[in-house]
Amino acid sequence: RKEVEQDPGPFNVPEGATVAFNCTYSNSASQSFFWYRQDCRKEPKLLMSVYSSGNEDGRFTAQLNRASQYISLLIRDSKLSDSATYLCVVRVGGYALNFGKGTSLLVTP
Amino acid sequence: NAGVTQTPKFQVLKTGQSMTLQCAQDMNHEYMSWYRQDPGMGLRLIHYSVGAGITDQGEVPNGYNVSRSTTEDFPLRLLSAAPSQTSVYFCASSYSGSDTQYFGPGTRLTVL
Repeated sequence: RKEVEQDPGPFNVPEGATVAFNCTYSNSASQSFFWYRQDCRKEPKLLMSVYSSGNEDGRFTAQLNRASQYISLLIRDSKLSDSATYLCVVRVGGYALNFGKGTSLLVTP
Repeated sequence: NAGVTQTPKFQVLKTGQSMTLQCAQDMNHEYMSWYRQDPGMGLRLIHYSVGAGITDQGEVPNGYNVSRSTTEDFPLRLLSAAPSQTSVYFCASSYSGSDTQYFGPGTRLTVL
């Protein structure tokens, strides 16, 4: 079983829509949680870290539920420029990151 | 700062050839790592280093060697290329104790 699981999508949504991505992780000892964004044929870039208290950055809101080992990302008022693959990432210990396979989002006019 | 740089951007090899993928960072980061990304597989850790002279294996180390003689550079060597090593390779770095990792632009490798 993969350590980090996410729905690959694709999610096709119109501009202005709200879209939510979910992710589950298997290792209860996981310490840090992130969402990365990857544009087509580009490197992954950190979108935001995820905390148990929840955190928001503009139109993006991330939540962590340690009891359920579940991470979410909510994007409000989707823009065309939000089209990308969103990677759920978990750090168990040390510096190595465990990546989910990614969820593809396409925002259409 | 140039950040994390990788060369070459693209490479085609024949089975059995060897080559070195270069990775350099100018941010004085202690931690550096190599990942490979295959369609439908996500990124997988190959090797990592927590400082000059210290390296360790990740999830998929077979067929690859690394060394870390300086803080700045972390080359990845393919000893005898195989078609299964066709992939996109990303190098990443971070400060010790930081959760933020910075990725290079990637090297797209094809092994025929």
